[in-house]
Amino acid sequence: GIQVEQSPPDLILQEGANSTLRCNFSDSVNNLQWFHQNPWGQLINLFYIPSGTKQNGRLSATTVATERYSLLYISSSQTTDSGVYFCAVSAGGFKTIFGAGTRLFVKA
Amino acid sequence: DAGVIQSPRHEVTEMGQEVTLRCKPISGHDYLFWYRQTMMRGLELLIYFNNNVPIDDSGMPEDRFSAKMPNASFSTLKIQPSEPRDSAVYFCASSSSVNYGYTFGSGTRLTVV
Repeated sequence: GIQVEQSPPDLILQEGANSTLRCNFSDSVNNLQWFHQNPWGQLINLFYIPSGTKQNGRLSATTVATERYSLLYISSSQTTDSGVYFCAVSAGGFKTIFGAGTRLFVKA
Repeated sequence: DAGVIQSPRHEVTEMGQEVTLRCKPISGHDYLFWYRQTMMRGLELLIYFNNNVPIDDSGMPEDRFSAKMPNASFSTLKIQPSEPRDSAVYFCASSSSVNYGYTFGSGTRLTVV
């Protein structure tokens, strides 16, 4: 099946810093999503982005499907950005596979 | 819309007992997913439905697990008999074939002792 690799596995930032999270996938995908799991366990959908670039406030994402990777950019990080960021892909239909996540801690 | 609603939020049960987890998807969504999250295995897809029909149950760990979706507004995941290794957070999510983004429920934290 399709493999999803996220990097880095852990990231510590000072509040106000910028960061880039990466998601590599092993096969062509028709569906790619980014999620944030907050410290209380809630999973929030950030982007549905099988290709191209999207922006939402301080967050933006870019997927280059032909090169099988996606990037999530966080600018001017805040302590509320802490948590785990997951990339999730499906190669066909709706069977969506999650990566292991990037654990982010933003220090005040 | 109230989002995806799961119940109960927490469940503690003894080994061997039957456990039923419940999910109400977002109205109008035609896809429903059950995921399990553990530290060791991360988020695993157990089963998903389209228009109340199970499409892929290859992630269901064994025969002790079963899922149903009797109508568009309700689904259950049942474990019978439960075992300590079933302890995990179980998430339900829904999506539509028009807008593919998932919406997750708050999860059910299951502890089997």
